[in-house]
Amino acid sequence: NAGVTQTPKFQVLKTGQSMTLQCAQDMNHNSMYWYRQDPGMGLRLIYYSASEGTTDKGEVPNGYNVSRLNKREFSLRLESAAPSQTSVYFCASSHASKREIHSDEQFFGPGTRLTVL
Amino acid sequence: AQSVTQPDIHITVSEGASLELRCNYSYGATPYLFWYVQSPGQGLQLLLKYFSGDTLVQGIKGFEAEFKRSQSSFNLRKPSVHWSDAAEYFCAVLPRRGGYQKVTFGTGTKLQVIP
Repeated sequence: NAGVTQTPKFQVLKTGQSMTLQCAQDMNHNSMYWYRQDPGMGLRLIYYSASEGTTDKGEVPNGYNVSRLNKREFSLRLESAAPSQTSVYFCASSHASKREIHSDEQFFGPGTRLTVL
Repeated sequence: AQSVTQPDIHITVSEGASLELRCNYSYGATPYLFWYVQSPGQGLQLLLKYFSGDTLVQGIKGFEAEFKRSQSSFNLRKPSVHWSDAAEYFCAVLPRRGGYQKVTFGTGTKLQVIP
């Protein structure tokens, strides 16, 4: 039982390059989330998925796209990276769904540290 | 507007001293409340959570938190801090109302422990 896994752990991009951050969970959770963490700003929600096949914008979605490939996997894509996207990215999952209200905790992956030059 | 505030950006305590980290929220109704810890280079891990009932909640690693409705606060405490407690701590809230709700995290308090 690995929990939430993320790849890669580190990445350096040049401005304008694209990349996809991968996330997978093995807890049969309904909801998955992508956050970015910047100093002094806590965690800000980029996108989330309340169930397989659905995705919704969070607080800071501009410059990102996501795909909920199946119940286990939720990827985050940067189509044209910008220096403002330099951050640490966390994927998380929880039992929460749109059909039932869950107050369960979120489980986090180890993060991806992305630098855009 | 709904919000969660951690007024202390950085706190330094001596090993063995007591600790209290503050968290205040502004929501129409008492939300679900959480404290998470993030060790350096790691993801967040849940310390404890408050849903209802007893306002003093026990968590892992010897932490506890007290919910005070009158003060809209959910402060985290530990009687005796260990060097391994050095980390960043996040308060989080989940609205207690119908429909799909999302968690909002505070900006975090970084704890330094000195020998």
